[in-house]
Amino acid sequence: GNSVTQMEGPVTLSEEAFLTINCTYTATGYPSLFWYVQYPGEGLQLLLKATKADDKGSNKGFEATYRKETTSFHLEKGSVQVSDSAVYFCALSKGRDDKIIFGKGTRLHILP
Amino acid sequence: GAGVSQSPRYKVAKRGQDVALRCDPISGHVSLFWYQQALGQGPEFLTYFQNEAQLDKSGLPSDRFFAERPEGSVSTLKIQRTQQEDSAVYLCASSLFGEEQFFGPGTRLTVL
Repeated sequence: GNSVTQMEGPVTLSEEAFLTINCTYTATGYPSLFWYVQYPGEGLQLLLKATKADDKGSNKGFEATYRKETTSFHLEKGSVQVSDSAVYFCALSKGRDDKIIFGKGTRLHILP
Repeated sequence: GAGVSQSPRYKVAKRGQDVALRCDPISGHVSLFWYQQALGQGPEFLTYFQNEAQLDKSGLPSDRFFAERPEGSVSTLKIQRTQQEDSAVYLCASSLFGEEQFFGPGTRLTVL
């Protein structure tokens, strides 16, 4: 079946460090891929998405590239801030109006 | 503008009690999803509505779980005879025409 695997946390970094959170997926066909973020005390928010191979999603300095050959969608940011502390979920969907399948989430702590 | 709202935000139930969780989607959104998020896990799909029609209920874990959306707007997730394993955050999401799903803040259910 369809599934998402992402690196376990927590991940602790110092401010301005480079961030990578690994994500791989298993799915038939060509799913859409997402990163969602859950800030403390807030609901899930879409951070970025990519809908086809080699697409790069980007938002708020975060980027992820849809790699079909490695079935990966790793999240990167060049210089993290304390305000980036949150839980990050990698996810996929098979199509419009289809359910979203989430990974288990990676908690990120950024130290000042 | 108003986002997805859910009530109550917190619910404590004794084992065996029935509970009802409410979701108010963004006005005009056709699609509505329910997800269950256990502690330390990613959200898992429960059920999906398009307007008032429940098109997918494959994720409901048992026949104690029931969802409805009688007028194609507000939705209620009902859990009968609650068990401890039902303790989780229940998330509702809505979308306009199958594009981005917007999530509510969730209802945290604790079954004692």
